[in-house]
Amino acid sequence: DIQMTQSPSSLSASIGDRVTISCRASQTINTYLSWYQHKPGRAPKLLIYGASSLQSGVPSRFSGSGSGTDFTLAISSLQPEDFATYYCQQSYSTPTFGQGTKLEIK
Amino acid sequence: QVQLVQSGTEVRKPGASVKVSCQTSGYTLTDYYIHWVRQAPGQGLEWMGIVNPSTSSATYAQKMQGRVTMSRDTSTSTVYMELSSLRFEDTAVYYCARSRVRLTAIRDDVFDVWGQGTVVTVSS
Repeated sequence: DIQMTQSPSSLSASIGDRVTISCRASQTINTYLSWYQHKPGRAPKLLIYGASSLQSGVPSRFSGSGSGTDFTLAISSLQPEDFATYYCQQSYSTPTFGQGTKLEIK
Repeated sequence: QVQLVQSGTEVRKPGASVKVSCQTSGYTLTDYYIHWVRQAPGQGLEWMGIVNPSTSSATYAQKMQGRVTMSRDTSTSTVYMELSSLRFEDTAVYYCARSRVRLTAIRDDVFDVWGQGTVVTVSS
């Protein structure tokens, strides 16, 4: 299986900050990369697919970039509702997820 | 709107089986794949498998082979995931999730709508 490695594992930031989360695949996955937001007790929410396509209804402050093995999720101006855990997921082969990045309020 | 509503919390003993349901609404069940994903306490997300509700064929993660069965009932628009020979490490929240694209398109294994999750606890 393709291994997905996220960094950092946790991140503290303030409202209004710009933050980035990285995801690296153990082999090339072209742009078969999605990002999800997950809050405790809630269902995960699709944010980005195809590495950079914004899912319908997701605020434009979320953006994704990258191809091959290195990918980035950026949040341009953090809002209170953005504090959550973020996962990347590859769909190039049998789906696998990164270990998650917990975004906390500073 | 599209919704996936899962069955409630389950507690089982090691060696037993559990069957979790995922009732779909707001779209035609047979138009989209359904996946199952789980999250053990303090762990990340783990893909378990996929079922084609149109044909009932399923593909399972290698780790789950032989213990998991995914099925569907088109009359009730419900998909099921049954896990047998339960172990303590199967304690997790189990999610069903719909594929983003229709069955007629190239499969892309991106999950656009998720169920609320079902807690399964394996305890003696």
